[in-house]
Amino acid sequence: EIVLTQSPATLSLSPGERATLSCRASQSVGSYLAWYQQKPGQAPRLLIYDASKRATGIPARFSGSGSGTDFTLTISSLEPEDFAVYYCQQRSDWPITFGQGTRLDIK
Amino acid sequence: EVLLVESGGDLVQPGGSLRLSCAASGFTFSTYTVSWVRQAPGKGLEWVSAISGSGVSTYYADSVKGRFTISRDNSKNTLYLQMNTLRAEDTAVYYCAKDISAFDYWGQGTLVTVS
Repeated sequence: EIVLTQSPATLSLSPGERATLSCRASQSVGSYLAWYQQKPGQAPRLLIYDASKRATGIPARFSGSGSGTDFTLTISSLEPEDFAVYYCQQRSDWPITFGQGTRLDIK
Repeated sequence: EVLLVESGGDLVQPGGSLRLSCAASGFTFSTYTVSWVRQAPGKGLEWVSAISGSGVSTYYADSVKGRFTISRDNSKNTLYLQMNTLRAEDTAVYYCAKDISAFDYWGQGTLVTVS
């Protein structure tokens, strides 16, 4: 199965700062990579699909890039509501797999 | 408005069985692949199983293969997950999710506790 490794495990930043989250795949997933945000007690929310396409209603401060094995989620200027856990997920091959998550904390 | 509502979660003993349901509305259910994704307490997301729109194709994580069965009733817009031979490690919130390029809509989840 394709293993997704997210880094860092925890990222501590202040509102207004730029956040850069990484996801590395154990083999190429092409552009079949998505990013999700999850807040405590809530279901995950789709942010980015096909590596760089923003989902409906997602603010422009969220952007995704990469292809093959290395991907990045960037939040250009953090808002208070952005502090959450972020997961990447691949759909290039079965089984579908998720990364272990990056927790974005308020500094 | 797309809605996915899971039900059926409960406390069950190891070795027991449970059937989860996911009622869908707000989209043409029969044309979309749907999945079950679970999350153990305090842990990350784990994909469990998927089924194609027609129900012909099914997919499973190795951790549940042979114990769980996914199915759907397109006449009732409902997705199911039959879970047999449950283990403590199956304890999790189980989400159903609509799949188009990614999981674009999720239910609120239903809690399964095996103890």
